[in-house]
Amino acid sequence: DIVVTQSPDSLAVSLGERATINCKSSQSAFDSSDKKNNLAWYQQKPGQPPKLLIYWASTRQSGVPDRFSGSGSGTDFTLTISSLQAEDVAVYYCQQFYSSPPSITFGQGTRLEIK
Amino acid sequence: EVHLVESGGGLAQPGGSLRLSCVASGFTFSRYSMNWVRQAPGKGLEWVSHITHTTATIYYTDSVKGRFTISRDNAKNSLYLQMNSLRAEDTAVYYCARDGQGGYNMDVWGKGTTVTVSS
Repeated sequence: DIVVTQSPDSLAVSLGERATINCKSSQSAFDSSDKKNNLAWYQQKPGQPPKLLIYWASTRQSGVPDRFSGSGSGTDFTLTISSLQAEDVAVYYCQQFYSSPPSITFGQGTRLEIK
Repeated sequence: EVHLVESGGGLAQPGGSLRLSCVASGFTFSRYSMNWVRQAPGKGLEWVSHITHTTATIYYTDSVKGRFTISRDNAKNSLYLQMNSLRAEDTAVYYCARDGQGGYNMDVWGKGTTVTVSS
């Protein structure tokens, strides 16, 4: 089974400061057929469904502020919020697709708060 | 505007059945693969099942294989999840989610429907 582990489990950052969340998978997310990493990041606020922020590891979803960025390849990925805003308080999840056998796996989530 | 609306949740006894529905609007449903994702109370997200736009390919997470069946009716813009042999650990909010660009990520989500399995 694919295991996707996020770190840290929780994070407190001051307004305007950088927040970094890591995601590590037990299997590579890289798809050699299209040279893409099947790794996405989501934001979930209380009482709301998740919102897609980043897909293909580093492509920002339409309408997502450019303070959100994704990086990494293979098994190690990072979500960075360059300048934390109050509205960024949420739980963040990474999610990987692995093709053999086909499965979609979420990380356990990282709770982001204001320091 | 793009919308997904789930229904069919409720209270079921262990061993019982429920059928969830998800109605799509604002986009061409028949062109998109779809997913069910669940979230147990106070817990993280768990992907449940995926179906391609033609139904040619269907995937399930191991814990629901043989108990849950995903299906769709493109003429009715609807996605379904038939859940049989329900267990307490199936208690969760169930979200319907559309596959995003490139596949295997989810760019549109419904608000969810709550399933509670308890005697």
